[in-house]
Amino acid sequence: GESVGLHLPTLSVQEGDNSIINCAYSNSASDYFIWYKQESGKGPQFIIDIRSNMDKRQGQRVTVLLNKTVKHLSLQIAATQPGDSAVYFCAETFNDYKLSFGAGTTVTVRA
Amino acid sequence: GAVVSQHPSRVICKSGTSVKIECRSLDFQATTMFWYRQFPKQSLMLMATSNEGSKATYEQGVEKDKFLINHASLTLSTLTVTSAHPEDSSFYICSALGGPPEQFFGPGTRLTVL
Repeated sequence: GESVGLHLPTLSVQEGDNSIINCAYSNSASDYFIWYKQESGKGPQFIIDIRSNMDKRQGQRVTVLLNKTVKHLSLQIAATQPGDSAVYFCAETFNDYKLSFGAGTTVTVRA
Repeated sequence: GAVVSQHPSRVICKSGTSVKIECRSLDFQATTMFWYRQFPKQSLMLMATSNEGSKATYEQGVEKDKFLINHASLTLSTLTVTSAHPEDSSFYICSALGGPPEQFFGPGTRLTVL
């Protein structure tokens, strides 16, 4: 199937600043997108999701934006904290619910 | 929230032996579970879809005779790596399909084959 990719492999951000993590996807038929956070040695942790009929969704300190015209997904983290340091993956699903993960962005928060 | 466990969390085995990894949904029933493999500094790659009461479906390039999957109950799926070799060393992660399409992930199992 199609793969989901990320623009940048690493992101360094000052504590307290906002973070923006980008993701490009290639399959216009994808109907559901998810952002996951993975800390070292652990399984992925759900952050936020968005359906293809939406262009924005907000959670606690996080916002996901979906631009279907250019097939772009982004995750914004407000007031980044040291605990936000992790690898972030975007993923897309198709009708059979199988997830296709992007390459991942490593976020490092500087004190 | 829904909890998925994996056992063991770490396993070290000798080349040529088989290793079984369990994936359990603790507080919900999951007719569908998924198995992923993740190599260092890489993304998760789907290996197979495990369906309760039926045969697993494998992704292209994944050997079904090497990675045996059994989903005998609505809360348990097992992955057996048969005749393991050093190149099978990886982080194996399972997930359980909840209210679709949301998946709940286990904490992963680190397999090291000597």
